[in-house]
Amino acid sequence: SQTIHQWPATLVQPVGSPLSLECTVEGTSNPNLYWYRQAAGRGLQLLFYSVGIGQISSEVPQNLSASRPQDRQFILSSKKLLLSDSGFYLCAWSIGTDKAYEQYFGPGTRLTVT
Amino acid sequence: GNSVTQMEGPVTLSEEAFLTINCTYTATGYPSLFWYVQYPGEGLQLLLKATKADDKGSNKGFEATYRKETTSFHLEKGSVQVSDSAVYFCALSVPGNTPLVFGKGTRLSVIA
Repeated sequence: SQTIHQWPATLVQPVGSPLSLECTVEGTSNPNLYWYRQAAGRGLQLLFYSVGIGQISSEVPQNLSASRPQDRQFILSSKKLLLSDSGFYLCAWSIGTDKAYEQYFGPGTRLTVT
Repeated sequence: GNSVTQMEGPVTLSEEAFLTINCTYTATGYPSLFWYVQYPGEGLQLLLKATKADDKGSNKGFEATYRKETTSFHLEKGSVQVSDSAVYFCALSVPGNTPLVFGKGTRLSVIA
């Protein structure tokens, strides 16, 4: 069966510090991968998605970036965090075909920028 | 374009009350439809889905029917429990290797 991992689970970082969040998927090959952010009490904001290694689509211009160095690894980064980057970050995967499939979510990372 | 509209929350119900959360959609092509649930502090879990018109998805006492004529996928449960308190998201997917389109979510609080 497939599983998705995210770490760390929680993170407190000062403004201006760098960020690296990691997501890995097990039990599947060539998945589509996604990063979402959820601000407190609000809906989901799609940040990035990837249909293959090195292929990243950015949905929202900001100080975040994403990379996919391996088939089942997706990394969210920032060189300098802003207060507005605080939120709950969710990674998700789906089967990588041209059909309409559901997405499966990881447990999330709670980021607080102070 | 593709979009999902959910009823605004929060919704507060007493235990054993009947639940309906409305969801309507706009889509180019033939979408698949989903309901996700997010418990406090957790990621989203797929609750149920339907992939063609008149399909009924069901799970844990929740159900939703894919109504193409009214472009709707309303979530229902006959008797809610305190443990159903969560945020519910309606979503659609269209063929073409693109991300799901989510509604804004509806917060449900069930009180004993």
